[in-house]
Formats: sequence, structure tokens, C-alpha cells
Amino acid sequence: KNEVEQSPQNLTAQEGEFITINCSYSVGISALHWLQQHPGGGIVSLFMLSSGKKKHGRLIATINIQEKHSSLHITASHPRDSAVYICAVRSNAGGTSYGKLTFGQGTILTVHP
Amino acid sequence: DTGVSQDPRHKITKRGQNVTFRCDPISEHNRLYWYRQTLGQGPEFLTYFQNEAQLEKSRLLSDRFSAERPKGSFSTLEIQRTEQGDSAMYLCASSLGVRRTDTQYFGPGTRLTVL
Repeated sequence: KNEVEQSPQNLTAQEGEFITINCSYSVGISALHWLQQHPGGGIVSLFMLSSGKKKHGRLIATINIQEKHSSLHITASHPRDSAVYICAVRSNAGGTSYGKLTFGQGTILTVHP
Repeated sequence: DTGVSQDPRHKITKRGQNVTFRCDPISEHNRLYWYRQTLGQGPEFLTYFQNEAQLEKSRLLSDRFSAERPKGSFSTLEIQRTEQGDSAMYLCASSLGVRRTDTQYFGPGTRLTVL
């Protein structure tokens, strides 16, 4: 079982729909990241969370540390939101291991006009 | 452009050849990471530098792989005797390094195809 699991793997929506992508993890973490990757490879960091909820424009990210679960919501989705959304966690292990991220497999989102 | 840059963006090579990739992080960033991403998968950690010190290496980084960051600025990732299984996107990221949870900024990646 992967340390970070995302669902769904593929998501298709109509423009304007509310979208939720889920991420579950099995390790202790110091932070969870939501990333966006467009075709061609470029990755952009959307959110970094260690507790609670963050909002940026139409994007909302929440995390429940006790349940080891996070969600990324997109309100009023638009075709330009089409991308791969990746959840990544930073372990809270000591020593030098805290630097690296462990990634989920990504959720491919396609929003049709 | 003051973001993370990687060179080359694409590399096609024949099996058995050596390849070297370069990453230039954001100038004041102390931490530099290398990740590998195969098609349809999320990135996987390869190695991590704090300044010029290589602090962690994944078991994915076989003895054919070597990474350096000689002056604590740019980094190189070399793959010797490439194999078809090395075909992937190689991503570099950097972060400021003042907190354990600082944001990583990713470069555009180098896509390697081994024929």
C-alpha cells in the first residue's frame, strides 16, 4: 500500500461543477502539499497545510490530521482547471528525512465547457 | 525569470550512453531536491541537498546515478550506462530551507527518453 493514496484517479466534470479530490496518507506528517501539474510537466504548489483549511480563489484545501485525510475542492470549475492534481506529504520523522516529499499518484482532472 | 531552471528540457539518448542534467535553483534557496516521475505516476524522491551536502539518497538512486551540488548553488544529476527503464521526467525543486515545512518550487523538468 502506498503511503499516499489519492482518489479518484481520473475525474471528468462539466464547467461550473464543484469538484473534490481526496488524499489519504499513512505516515506522520509535518505538512501536506497540494500541487498542480499541467501537460509538459511544470508543477506549481497550490497549498501547504499542517492543520485546518486554506482558501485561494476558487480553491479550498482542508486537512484532518487525526483521520490522516485531506481534500482539495474546486468551486465553479473551469476548463483551465484541467490538470493533474497531486497530493504530497512531508514526513515528521527526525534527522535529515524531513526534507523530502512523498507523492500520491495524482488525479487527472478534465473539465469540459 | 528567477524560478528554478533545468537544462536540457528534453534528452533522447541510446541505451548505454551517459547523460547529465543541470538544475539551477532559486538563488537564495539552500535546499535542492531531485525527483523522478514516470508516465502516469506521481514523482518519486531521488536525493536532497542542504547547501553542498547531500543529506539523503533514495534506494531508487542506483550506483549508476550520481548527483552533485559542488558550490551549494546549481546541481547536476548524472546517469551512467542508461537503461530504457531510466526514461522518465527528472524534476528538480528548491526551497529556502529556514523551516522544516517550507514550500518547494519546482523546475520544468528534463524529459529523458532512452532508446
